Parts: sequence; structure tokens; C-alpha cells
Amino acid sequence: AQTVTQSQPEMSVQEAETVTLSCTYDTSESDYYLFWYKQPPSRQMILVIRQEAYKQQNATENRFSVNFQKAAKSFSLKISDSQLGDAAMYFCAYRMNRDDKIIFGKGTRLHILP
Amino acid sequence: DAGITQSPRYKITETGRQVTLMCHQTWSHSYMFWYRQDLGHGLRLIYYSAAADITDKGEVPDGYVVSRSKTENFPLTLESATRSQTSVYFCATTPDVPNQPQHFGDGTRLSIL
Repeated sequence: AQTVTQSQPEMSVQEAETVTLSCTYDTSESDYYLFWYKQPPSRQMILVIRQEAYKQQNATENRFSVNFQKAAKSFSLKISDSQLGDAAMYFCAYRMNRDDKIIFGKGTRLHILP
Repeated sequence: DAGITQSPRYKITETGRQVTLMCHQTWSHSYMFWYRQDLGHGLRLIYYSAAADITDKGEVPDGYVVSRSKTENFPLTLESATRSQTSVYFCATTPDVPNQPQHFGDGTRLSIL
């Protein structure tokens, strides 16, 4: 069965600094998709970034980028120039190509220190 | 506006009562999901539905019932609420394209006293 592991329940970073959130997953599939979601105190689930497993190039979205290591089954999220609005719970998620279910990690709560 | 609407946003009820959480989508996505979110557990799948009249159990289905008579609606019912079902509940849909993420409603905070 596929699993997603986020080993850091909480992290803190100084405003304007860079922080990396870890995510590993377990799968025997070769075709899948990975996502990072952000959940601020408002409870909304907001898509931050996505990565297709067949793409070697790491996805980037403005200050957010990923380090996708397919062989190591690792999918970390890097947030550059951290801002107070980045404070949230972050979830890593996995979706197989042939399945509509998405499997979530348990989340990492990110604190931004002013 | 297109999207997912969950109602109510907040609900307080007593143990043993029946409560139904509503979920409505405007996209006509085939797949719909119910999750519960608890501290230390992340999001856990309760039930999902691949189409109208097709539902399947997820990771934590006990104590819950779902139905999907119409594509756009996917209500979740707690037939006899227990304190362990106090949680935040999210409804979600997945577009019928594999590389697309799930879209979530704003969640329902349910407290069972």
C-alpha cells in the first residue's frame, strides 16, 4: 500500500529565511503525481505545487520549489524568503495515475518567526 | 461561483444524535471524497464515490453512512454520533484528469458533547 511520511510535525523559520519541509513516500508504481497543500488557520486546503513523476525537472511556483528525488522517493518543499503568511500546516500528498484517491501525509506545522 | 460548498461550517450536537453533513459541487466531477482531520492523524479518508450510486469505504468508515443519488451531492451521515467523531470534516472532488489535485470544501467543524 502507498504511504506518505512527513517526519517533521513542526518547524520554525525566521522571516525572510529559507526552510525545507521533508516528505517521503512508498510506492511500487512508476506513474504518479505528488502535491503539496497548505492549510492556513482558515482551514482552507490550498494547492501550493504539483509534480508529475515522469518529469525530471523540479517544479517551481514563485517562492516555492520542490526537490523531487524519484529513486529515493523523496519530495521536499523549499520555501524561500519566508513570509508571515506562509505560517500554516503543510501536507504532502500522492496520487497514482490510475486512481482518483489521494494519500496524505500527517502534515508539518510551519511557524514563521518575525 | 463554481466550487464545493459544505454545510454547516460548525455544528454542535450530543452523543447518540444523528447528524448529516452536506457537500455540493458545481463542477460535475465524478469522484467525491469525505475526510476527517484530527491532530496527529492528518487527513483520513472516510468514504468516497466514483459516480452517482457508487460508494466505497475508505480508511475509517465505521459509524458513517454516505449516499450519492446525484452527481453533485455527497452527504455524510453520522447515524448515532459519538465523542470520538468530534473532528473537522472535509469534502473533496478530483477532476477526471490524472494530473490534477483534489479540490476541497472549507470544512465542517463538528463537536459532539
